[in-house]
Amino acid sequence: AQSVTQLGSHVSVSEGALVLLRCNYSSSVPPYLFWYVQYPNQGLQLLLKYTSAATLVKGINGFEAEFKKSETTFHLTKPSAHMSDAAEYFCAVSQGSGYSTLTFGKGTMLLVSP
Amino acid sequence: DVKVTQSSRYLVKRTGEKVFLECVQDMDHENMFWYRQDPGLGLRLIYFSYDVKMKEKGDIPEGYSVSREKKERFSLILESASTNQTSMYLCASRPRLAGVEQFFGPGTRLTVL
Repeated sequence: AQSVTQLGSHVSVSEGALVLLRCNYSSSVPPYLFWYVQYPNQGLQLLLKYTSAATLVKGINGFEAEFKKSETTFHLTKPSAHMSDAAEYFCAVSQGSGYSTLTFGKGTMLLVSP
Repeated sequence: DVKVTQSSRYLVKRTGEKVFLECVQDMDHENMFWYRQDPGLGLRLIYFSYDVKMKEKGDIPEGYSVSREKKERFSLILESASTNQTSMYLCASRPRLAGVEQFFGPGTRLTVL
């Protein structure tokens, strides 16, 4: 069984401030972890993924995430927020096999103010 | 680039109508998925398919069925649409390889009146 909890349905930051979006997961096997971003009226776009290689993963648009096995977390960060980062972000977990499905968190809406 | 297309961006139907949502991918992916997305609930898996003519129930299959007659096409069917099926529907595909992400279409926003 697997599950994802995203802490905070909404996160507000000022432009230039640190972005931190939290993701806690549970998985009965070593997980594969993903962060997706969704802009208004669009589908989901992959930001980054962890697939058991380096624990610090760099993604697109300056985002990165760190896999912490002992804490079962995969938090998403960006050093300096930009107005264009305003979107909804989803954390997801899978068991990684070719037949596995994704389990998504409920999403975190990131609001960026000038 | 992987491309997943959905037949409509916006759709308005009446209660009781039969509704077809079509999804096509152009990357020869084995696996395809249908989700619905509702505010505060995230994405919930309706059905998925590992291969042609194969289907598996996801977390919320009630009121839906699917069809996969060709590898590139995965259809979601609402046999008799109801107002509680008003939602955003997202299709995704991925190859049957470990650790590869899902690729999403743009979504269909369905309103049932």
